[in-house]
Amino acid sequence: EAGVVQSPRYKIIEKKQPVAFWCNPISGHNTLYWYLQNLGQGPELLIRYENEEAVDDSQLPKDRFSAERLKGVDSTLKIQPAELGDSAVYLCASSAGGARETQYFGPGTRLLVL
Amino acid sequence: LAKTTQPISMDSYEGQEVNITCSHNNIATNDYITWYQQFPSQGPRFIIQGYKTKVTNEVASLFIPADRKSSTLSLPRVSLSDTAVYYCLVGDSDNYGQNFVFGPGTRLSVLP
Repeated sequence: EAGVVQSPRYKIIEKKQPVAFWCNPISGHNTLYWYLQNLGQGPELLIRYENEEAVDDSQLPKDRFSAERLKGVDSTLKIQPAELGDSAVYLCASSAGGARETQYFGPGTRLLVL
Repeated sequence: LAKTTQPISMDSYEGQEVNITCSHNNIATNDYITWYQQFPSQGPRFIIQGYKTKVTNEVASLFIPADRKSSTLSLPRVSLSDTAVYYCLVGDSDNYGQNFVFGPGTRLSVLP
């Protein structure tokens, strides 16, 4: 069974430029998460989807970050414009749903903003 | 959301048993305790989950006392490949589902 797929794996951009990350969750997983992970820190939840509905986006900086999950499968996270402080690893995870379900993480996208 | 506290780092030697304790004093009745492992340049990976007493799988054991205010992840006979960061999470299952919060984790270094 294929795991969570993310692309690109690495991205280098200049500040003020836009950037987008793509995630394909495990087939059949209704719940999708986007996390941000800074160096030496644990992942921080940005947004959680149940199917195509964003049910928790309280930590998403909505002035520059946006996300979508069309048709309840793939998801895209966008930053526009990017700032130096956005340099981090962006992780996508999926689960079958429910409080006890295991989250399966992708390898992440490492973003460097210059 | 229940907060967790873990040691920032631990060192061990190959073949030893490693116990990592996590404190979660404000754990709620419906919360489960979950541990993840993360290697460099990879996303976290599920290790084990429990609610009370003891849970064991092929990788680790999880010990949870009766008051559930702490839990201990036990890794038997660690090897160099167990060097990783270990996260303790406490799930807050409300009507909107879980919202697990990752702390900084415990960085385990296994030495030869």
